[in-house]
Amino acid sequence: AQSVTQPDIHITVSEGASLELRCNYSYGATPYLFWYVQSPGQGLQLLLKYFSGDTLVQGIKGFEAEFKRSQSSFNLRKPSVHWSDAAEYFCAVGPSGGTYKYIFGTGTRLKVLA
Amino acid sequence: DAMVIQNPRYQVTQFGKPVTLSCSQTLNHNVMYWYQQKSSQAPKLLFHYYDKDFNNEADTPDNFQSRRPNTSFCFLDIRSPGLGDAAMYLCATSRDQGGYTFGSGTRLTVV
Repeated sequence: AQSVTQPDIHITVSEGASLELRCNYSYGATPYLFWYVQSPGQGLQLLLKYFSGDTLVQGIKGFEAEFKRSQSSFNLRKPSVHWSDAAEYFCAVGPSGGTYKYIFGTGTRLKVLA
Repeated sequence: DAMVIQNPRYQVTQFGKPVTLSCSQTLNHNVMYWYQQKSSQAPKLLFHYYDKDFNNEADTPDNFQSRRPNTSFCFLDIRSPGLGDAAMYLCATSRDQGGYTFGSGTRLTVV
């Protein structure tokens, strides 16, 4: 069955520190992979996506993610976190079941300490 | 700017009183989705339209319905809202499998 796991429910980092958010997936083929960010009371904003090609993907707001097929992972990274990065982050994988649907992880809530 | 717009941002409705949430898009995307998101949870897909074809998720309650009168608009109708239907409702669009563009959501409160 297709699934996506975000092992960390909450992560706290200090402003200026580096960040890595984990995402592991189970999928029968090479999936499409996404990271979204959600600020409180807002919709989800696409940070970056991987379809094929270079396994290191650059996104908006200084984020990047690396697709590692051998580890079934698509971890999100940022070298230096800003206070405005505090939000909830969702990994998504798909498409699911031959449709246009994507499966979302349960999210990681990031807290940034000043 | 091309975007996905949801109205209203906040909706308060009475228990059992029908309510409609709206979504419009200027992206000309052929697929539109409705998600329900409860606090601190992942978005849960309710249904989606591929062009005019409606696709309901197996576990979406009958209380939830949707209409897509044209490419640009999609509506979510909740026929008899219960307290458990209080949530953020997110509309999203995509061009086939190209990833989603989300609206800002409608926060529904049931009183």
